[in-house]
Amino acid sequence: DADVTQTPRNRITKTGKRIMLECSQTKGHDRMYWYRQDPGLGLRLIYYSFDVKDINKGEISDGYSVSRQAQAKFSLSLESAIPNQTALYFCATSDLGAGEDNEQFFGPGTRLTVL
Amino acid sequence: QKEVEQNSGPLSVPEGAIASLNCTYSDRVSQSFFWYRQYSGKSPELIMSIYSNGDKEDGRFTAQLNKASQYVSLLIRDSQPSDSATYLCAVNPRPSGSARQLTFGSGTQLTVLP
Repeated sequence: DADVTQTPRNRITKTGKRIMLECSQTKGHDRMYWYRQDPGLGLRLIYYSFDVKDINKGEISDGYSVSRQAQAKFSLSLESAIPNQTALYFCATSDLGAGEDNEQFFGPGTRLTVL
Repeated sequence: QKEVEQNSGPLSVPEGAIASLNCTYSDRVSQSFFWYRQYSGKSPELIMSIYSNGDKEDGRFTAQLNKASQYVSLLIRDSQPSDSATYLCAVNPRPSGSARQLTFGSGTQLTVLP
């Protein structure tokens, strides 16, 4: 079974709809991240969480919100989806205090299309 | 200036050749450097990490770090068609022990020609 899972894997929605992308991990990592990837722009950090009580904005948090329901679960919400939020979204995890500094492990991604 | 810069490519090399991928970064206090491989439509996969100046070898992959010049490179020896992918450079732009985020370059697309 995959260590980091994301649901749904694909989603098509309409402008103005609220949607949630979910991430679960069995790696036992404390830190979780949400990225979006657009062609030519690489990975950009949306939000990150270092533990259940810690939520931080990343580079491009406007229009997004997150919830860390448990150590293993980190959800990303688009309150009112717009077409320029069409992208590939990745969840990632890393281990607090690991010997290797901030190696991140990625989920399979969610392809979101906003019409 | 972008914090982490890579040539977008595409970079094409013949099978069996050495592929050389380069990355420069702007924050001098960066301590941790990573190379991820990403196949089309798939998630990034960590292939190398490097923290000290010099070379680090793992199989056909060698990462090279030069903090004075602020660049990190990835060499792939005996390139195979299965190495065709986008390679992402990632940098932890803070000293070790502080907030641990990564900044990613936009990636270099590598094609290995049979």
